[in-house]
Amino acid sequence: AQSVTQLGSHVSVSEGALVLLRCNYSSSVPPYLFWYVQYPNQGLQLLLKYTTGATLVKGINGFEAEFKKSETSFHLTKPSAHMSDAAEYFCAVSEVMKTSYDKVIFGPGTSLSVIP
Amino acid sequence: GAVVSQHPSRVICKSGTSVKIECRSLDFQATTMFWYRQFPKQSLMLMATSNEGSKATYEQGVEKDKFLINHASLTLSTLTVTSAHPEDSSFYICSAGEGGGVYNEQFFGPGTRLTVL
Repeated sequence: AQSVTQLGSHVSVSEGALVLLRCNYSSSVPPYLFWYVQYPNQGLQLLLKYTTGATLVKGINGFEAEFKKSETSFHLTKPSAHMSDAAEYFCAVSEVMKTSYDKVIFGPGTSLSVIP
Repeated sequence: GAVVSQHPSRVICKSGTSVKIECRSLDFQATTMFWYRQFPKQSLMLMATSNEGSKATYEQGVEKDKFLINHASLTLSTLTVTSAHPEDSSFYICSAGEGGGVYNEQFFGPGTRLTVL
């Protein structure tokens, strides 16, 4: 079975500083990987995804993530944090089902705080 | 992008009553819909997967008689929490996929906050 771990349930950065949110996965087959952001009492918004091709993926709001197969990692970064980036971030892996629809497995989440 | 709506956004009910939550894909046909449950400060837990016109597939530990799922059309899935109890209070989120091909992106609804008194 596939699983996702996120190191650090809470990360705090200063405004303008680098954001690094860690994600590692386990999978017996090539995975599809996602990062989602969730603001309080709201649903999930897709930041970026990796399916195939280029391992460095650029997403919305200046975020990007790099798929490293050798490290089974998909860490999320942003060069300069903004106050509006404060939210809950979920890394997720997609499990390809025989029935051809994908079940998404979510990591435990990382809460990002941005200090002015 | 594709839009998924949920109704209601928030519901408060008495213990023992049943509550229905709707999930709609507004601008695409969703062959597959997923229902998740999220406790405060926790991740999303997949409850069940439903395909239009067939029975839902429930994850281990999820009571199918407690959480009834109906996916009667390509744009609507409903989750009914039967005989709700305080421990069923949670944030319920649905997602929908367009289907077709190996990879199907899921689009998430805004969630429904259920509080059982």
